[in-house]
Amino acid sequence: GQNIDQPTEMTATEGAIVQINCTYQTSGFNGLFWYQQHAGEAPTFLSYNVLDGLEEKGRFSSFLSRSKGYSYLLLKELQMKDSASYLCAGPTDSWGKLQFGAGTQVVVTP
Amino acid sequence: DAGITQSPRYKITETGRQVTLMCHQTWSHSYMFWYRQDLGHGLRLIYYSAAADITDKGEVPDGYVVSRSKTENFPLTLESATRSQTSVYFCASSEMGGGSYNEQFFGPGTRLTVL
Repeated sequence: GQNIDQPTEMTATEGAIVQINCTYQTSGFNGLFWYQQHAGEAPTFLSYNVLDGLEEKGRFSSFLSRSKGYSYLLLKELQMKDSASYLCAGPTDSWGKLQFGAGTQVVVTP
Repeated sequence: DAGITQSPRYKITETGRQVTLMCHQTWSHSYMFWYRQDLGHGLRLIYYSAAADITDKGEVPDGYVVSRSKTENFPLTLESATRSQTSVYFCASSEMGGGSYNEQFFGPGTRLTVL
């Protein structure tokens, strides 16, 4: 399958901004998903980019460049509850199958 | 209960035993998926289903069997459990496939330990 790369862990302070990068091979993905997963819980949907550019949704924004195989998730005004793993995932075919990255653990400190 | 549920939530079994993990969704979603999640690997797709009686393999299908006789249920069976199948298993469903907007909704997970 596709190689999806994202950093293993990032640490930031409350109120700050953190950008989580996700890179992948340029062929095969029709858009890109971001999911949030708190420890011991199920992943929950955050965003989906099907076109290039920035999608903003409250404190969270997601960016996609399909030609570069690059996406990022921007978390603004960090709160303690944002401490979680953030997974990027690409739909690999018309059946809706997703290929997930290993996830980025974000640790928010006071 | 509305949504997507999994049972059991926790299971301890022994090597060689058969284990079935249940998944039930109340949305009548066409698509259902089984993933396993292990440290360092993220979520890996085991099997998926596009509709009742239509299933296909994912990335790591060996040692697993699925069936889907009803739209709302998608059980996953480990025919002869091995220690390497110790993992957290997530079931998910989505309304659409087709490469379009197809957010997947995840169940709460089953933590399986094979001794």
